Amino acid sequence: EAGVAQSPRYKIIEKRQSVAFWCNPISGHATLYWYQQILGQGPKLLIQFQNNGVVDDSQLPKDRFSAERLKGVDSTLKIQPAKLEDSAVYLCASSLAGQGESYTFGSGTRLTVV
Amino acid sequence: KNEVEQSPQNLTAQEGEFITINCSYSVGISALHWLQQHPGGGIVSLFMLSSGKKKHGRLIATINIQEKHSSLHITASHPRDSAVYICAVRPGNQFYFGTGTSLTVIP
Repeated sequence: EAGVAQSPRYKIIEKRQSVAFWCNPISGHATLYWYQQILGQGPKLLIQFQNNGVVDDSQLPKDRFSAERLKGVDSTLKIQPAKLEDSAVYLCASSLAGQGESYTFGSGTRLTVV
Repeated sequence: KNEVEQSPQNLTAQEGEFITINCSYSVGISALHWLQQHPGGGIVSLFMLSSGKKKHGRLIATINIQEKHSSLHITASHPRDSAVYICAVRPGNQFYFGTGTSLTVIP
């Protein structure tokens, strides 16, 4: 079974530039999550989708971050404009609805803002 | 205060040593997960526990629901075990993560 696919693996941008990350979840997984993990900290949930609807985006900095999952399958997370403190690993995860044991993480995108 | 606390934060061991990583949590949970994160950033799920004990190869995970505490043990540690180990708890469908324990196993 293919895992959660993320791209790119690494990205370096200058502050005030824009960046987008892509995630393709495991086939059939209705729930998709984006996490931000700053070095030395645990992952922090940014946004949770159930199919193409947003379940929780309470910790998403909406002035600069946006995410969409238009067809309920793959998803993009965008930062515009980026700040130095956005440097982190951005992890995507997916699960079957209501089944935590199916929870699977992607390999993450490491963003460096300079 | 974090809902999930892990200890130690950093751990260095000699190859072959028995290793224990501890996790305490403050919320009611439906399950607890132990995750492994390698330097590239990707996370692999090691265990999901709701009670008792699970074993997979040299890894053992235990949970005490009454005391809200879990431990991850690694027997006969090896340099390839070097990684960050993260405890995550699930009250419902959302996760709360610990800050991780960075393990380095020296040959």
